[in-house]
Amino acid sequence: GAVVSQHPSWVICKSGTSVKIECRSLDFQATTMFWYRQFPKQSLMLMATSNEGSKATYEQGVEKDKFLINHASLTLSTLTVTSAHPEDSSFYICSAPLGQGGSSPLHFGNGTRLTVT
Amino acid sequence: GQNIDQPTEMTATEGAIVQINCTYQTSGFNGLFWYQQHAGEAPTFLSYNVLDGLEEKGRFSSFLSRSKGYSYLLLKELQMKDSASYLCAVRDSNYQLIWGAGTKLIIKP
Repeated sequence: GAVVSQHPSWVICKSGTSVKIECRSLDFQATTMFWYRQFPKQSLMLMATSNEGSKATYEQGVEKDKFLINHASLTLSTLTVTSAHPEDSSFYICSAPLGQGGSSPLHFGNGTRLTVT
Repeated sequence: GQNIDQPTEMTATEGAIVQINCTYQTSGFNGLFWYQQHAGEAPTFLSYNVLDGLEEKGRFSSFLSRSKGYSYLLLKELQMKDSASYLCAVRDSNYQLIWGAGTKLIIKP
């Protein structure tokens, strides 16, 4: 069964509004979670690393004031896309490592397809 | 810089065997992962290699040669449901995952 739950699966919003995406680890604690974005027919692009109890680490070119990340607890991270624009339309996927060791694979949520009109 | 290369697309026949190659140049190495991603869905974990050799999991096997910076994913007895993108990812010395662009595998009857 799923080990990472992501909600909502899809969302349509108007330009200028904000959208919050939740990512939960199920039955395990995740001090670190990762947020990815994927445009059609392209590979995964890491946006930021969410750290429980501290600020998120953003990849180069990702606006931290636009993509707000809050790692509120050991099982929940949220990504808020603020003042969304049509170019933010994409597939957003969160992930968390199951375990602490280097062999721990990332397990992904089912993704959120965001469409900004 | 860090780089992972995979073929963009491959085609194979149902019931056959296909090998998807991945070569990498990274700052250090702490394991290599293969993921499967169906269109419109999130990736799912397939395999992990950190030592040289072959890891077998049912119809899927993954091979690693660290000295050559090379891995392959071998899929046997192909089924139509195996049509998907296959992503190679390497964990570098900082434990950051470096992703390949993925190989789109098309299975034909």
